[in-house]
Amino acid sequence: DTAVSQTPKYLVTQMGNDKSIKCEQNLGHDTMYWYKQDSKKFLKIMFSYNNKELIINETVPNRFSPKSPDKAHLNLHINSLELGDSAVYFCASSEWRGGRTEAFFGQGTRLTVV
Amino acid sequence: AQTVTQSQPEMSVQEAETVTLSCTYDTSESDYYLFWYKQPPSRQMILVIRQEAYKQQNATENRFSVNFQKAAKSFSLKISDSQLGDAAMYFCACYNNDMRFGAGTRLTVKP
Repeated sequence: DTAVSQTPKYLVTQMGNDKSIKCEQNLGHDTMYWYKQDSKKFLKIMFSYNNKELIINETVPNRFSPKSPDKAHLNLHINSLELGDSAVYFCASSEWRGGRTEAFFGQGTRLTVV
Repeated sequence: AQTVTQSQPEMSVQEAETVTLSCTYDTSESDYYLFWYKQPPSRQMILVIRQEAYKQQNATENRFSVNFQKAAKSFSLKISDSQLGDAAMYFCACYNNDMRFGAGTRLTVKP
């Protein structure tokens, strides 16, 4: 059983297209995230959702729109793709339980814009 | 929001030797967690070790241990008896409501 699953794993698309990345977690966590990892491997938080509500939006262009239909899913839709959007996008979920916190990551989606 | 700094972009260690990766963080919160994640070429983010800020005792997981200095806001990772499979990017992270990462350290293990 995969704890956090993202689809697709690879995505190659042309500039100007619109694409979506899906994320699902089966851990019962309340909080989900999207991170962007650039070519220098820096992991930058983009969005954080708690129980379907947007908590953090880290100065991400409006072309990026997260959608959380329920607390187990957090999808990322990107409009009018640009070359600079090429990166690996990670979905993650976390929970603060019984004095401990746990956080798990999906396998990442490598987006290439040509 | 909290910030995390890893000042060593690259580190190298001989197989079977010990290496220490540095991390400092800054947060105004008193309740938080610290993590080290490993990212091999497969790009999967793998949890290496976790430390609760309220615990004074340093966390250990087999060959991996941390030196947690709360007053100095320092959280270094020590890898003992390094193995070829330890070669990867290592990320330090601080969690309080959300998780923030350092820039990462690329560890090379020489046979």
